[in-house]
Amino acid sequence: GQSLEQPSEVTAVEGAIVQINCTYQTSGFYGLSWYQQHDGGAPTFLSYNALDGLEETGRFSSFLSRSDSYGYLLLQELQMKDSASYFCAVRDRSSGTYKYIFGTGTRLKVLA
Amino acid sequence: EAGVTQFPSHSVIEKGQTVTLRCDPISGHDNLYWYRRVMGKEIKFLLHFVKESKQDESGMPNNRFLAERTGGTYSTLKVQPAELEDSGVYFCASSPSGKETQYFGPGTRLLVL
Repeated sequence: GQSLEQPSEVTAVEGAIVQINCTYQTSGFYGLSWYQQHDGGAPTFLSYNALDGLEETGRFSSFLSRSDSYGYLLLQELQMKDSASYFCAVRDRSSGTYKYIFGTGTRLKVLA
Repeated sequence: EAGVTQFPSHSVIEKGQTVTLRCDPISGHDNLYWYRRVMGKEIKFLLHFVKESKQDESGMPNNRFLAERTGGTYSTLKVQPAELEDSGVYFCASSPSGKETQYFGPGTRLLVL
């Protein structure tokens, strides 16, 4: 089957750096995405990694290691507005079609 | 450019009733997805349309759920009859062909009493 694991909650202070890890298990891995969701809002796309390495977009970076079935989202210079849930999602093709499998989300609390 | 819209934003119904959720994707997006999130759990895939065709409906819980996408534009998800465990937030997302970014709608919060 397919599964993703990420921490349920992470707390950090403003200005700090935080890393949210995601490990996955699937036979048809194609790529790893990250989404941010504020309470009551819609998930919004942050990044996508199909190849090993680091992708940087402003204060956010995402890393993938296909050999380790592992990725992470790195948030730098944390701001209060970064308090939200962060989901990793695997694009999977083990069923013969492409679909997205989401983790349970990591709730990030940024403290002043 | 208008985003993905969903209607209604909230729905409270009694067990056994029928509810129909609607999703209007971003114009020109061939891919349309339905997801459901129960509080504290993962965002669970329900099904995927490519234009008007169902590409993958392996996530649909059972035959009480019926999804359609008329003419490859908007989509509806009908739950009939609703059960207590159907409560949750139903999200719709769309994406253009060949792109990874999914654009999510604000969700419909369904509560079955």
